[in-house]
Amino acid sequence: QSVLAQPPSVSGAPGQRVTISCSGNSSNIGNNPVNWYQQLPGKAPKLLIYFDGLLPSGVSDRFSGSKSGTSASLAISGLHSDDEGDYFCATWEDRLNVVLFGGGTKLTVL
Amino acid sequence: QAQLVQSGAEVKTPGASVKVSCKASGYTFSNYGISWVRQAPGQGLEWIGRLNTYNGFTDNAQKFQGRVSMTADTPTSTAYMELGSLKSDDTAIYYCARRSRITGPTGYYYYYMDVWGKGTTVIVSS
Repeated sequence: QSVLAQPPSVSGAPGQRVTISCSGNSSNIGNNPVNWYQQLPGKAPKLLIYFDGLLPSGVSDRFSGSKSGTSASLAISGLHSDDEGDYFCATWEDRLNVVLFGGGTKLTVL
Repeated sequence: QAQLVQSGAEVKTPGASVKVSCKASGYTFSNYGISWVRQAPGQGLEWIGRLNTYNGFTDNAQKFQGRVSMTADTPTSTAYMELGSLKSDDTAIYYCARRSRITGPTGYYYYYMDVWGKGTTVIVSS
């Protein structure tokens, strides 16, 4: 069980907006920025959001990130079928001196 | 564009070691660190450790202490991760990722993995 808690799955219809939460504590999310990674089926992870809410070049602005206290969220608007895959949050854990990943959330586009 | 190309799949017996390579191109190798992450079949992502390609400094998760070695060969822009004393639960896809950084409001550096290799499958089986 990951220290960063994510819902195992979320779903939405094409065009809809979904959010994925990532919950931690004061020694990880509460004190460090959060990054989000997208992993499409059979592919390597890809950076989606960094430093809580910044978009890397080339990433669609349908994706956005935010953080409040010890929780972070990823929002995906205008869902496409090719958004289906797994989404992971990640941050530094001060007490363990490791990068922590959330357990991942599987997004299904209905 | 920046790219990381990893070595091919490996099959090892328990107790053996595996060495995975990660060749960088499209950027100045020593200006960015390399992180190593693995993913067991059907599971999530697990951070193994990080390598400073400029000075060779490494840092790894406690669970891999004494079993993992991360090195860099600057002339060939290649990073290596060697994992020893392999067990069946080391079976996973091993990824290298470029470690980029941003300066926070207090001047502290924060890191993220912005370029990923395609992964190297390592199977440990007797």
